[in-house]
Amino acid sequence: QVQLVDSGGGVVQPGRSLRLSCAGSGFMFNSYGMHWVRQAPGKGLEWVAFISSDGSNRDYVDSVKGRFSISRDNSKNTLFLQMNSLRDEDTAVYYCAKDRMGSSYVFDYWGQGTLVTVSS
Amino acid sequence: IVLTQSPATLSLSPGERATLSCRASQTISTSLAWYQHKVGQAPRLLIYDASNRATDIPARFSGSGSGTDFTLTISSLEPEDFAVYYCQHRSNWPRTFGQGTKLEIK
Repeated sequence: QVQLVDSGGGVVQPGRSLRLSCAGSGFMFNSYGMHWVRQAPGKGLEWVAFISSDGSNRDYVDSVKGRFSISRDNSKNTLFLQMNSLRDEDTAVYYCAKDRMGSSYVFDYWGQGTLVTVSS
Repeated sequence: IVLTQSPATLSLSPGERATLSCRASQTISTSLAWYQHKVGQAPRLLIYDASNRATDIPARFSGSGSGTDFTLTISSLEPEDFAVYYCQHRSNWPRTFGQGTKLEIK
């Protein structure tokens, strides 16, 4: 069965960096686009970033462009989100999500989430 | 594109029918998905492309609509259906979610 396991969250000071990971199993990882979606406390869901199956295409929500970088290692079935210059408003639970197809932007499986808290 | 969900909260009893609405600020054809989210759990895809049930989703969940007005219907509520429901479009960038409808036990 498809499984996504998010990790790497924690408490970090504003301006610092953090790297999230997502390990995938139960599907052909190198055949699907992958995403990060976040949920700030008391708020709804917000799509953050996308990477194509081979890593050649990437896309970001405006609020993280130039600060966050999505990447993947298909040899290890792992997705990453490098988060630099973190701000208070980046505090959220971050979920990795599998694209239903290549780049449909339909999220058919999700990780359990990892909490990132940006605070001084 | 802004997605507006209504109502914000829906109070119903098990066995009742639930009707959740999602309205788009511009036409999005049928490029809409619905997700169920319970506290502390991963969100779950229910419906994609407005009316297609995702894998292993029970038949009591159905989606309809096109253009700007969409509906998620749960024909007879089970205890495990009480959660927050989000719609999401994929019509253009950025792909946004609605603010959610909380379905609570009456």
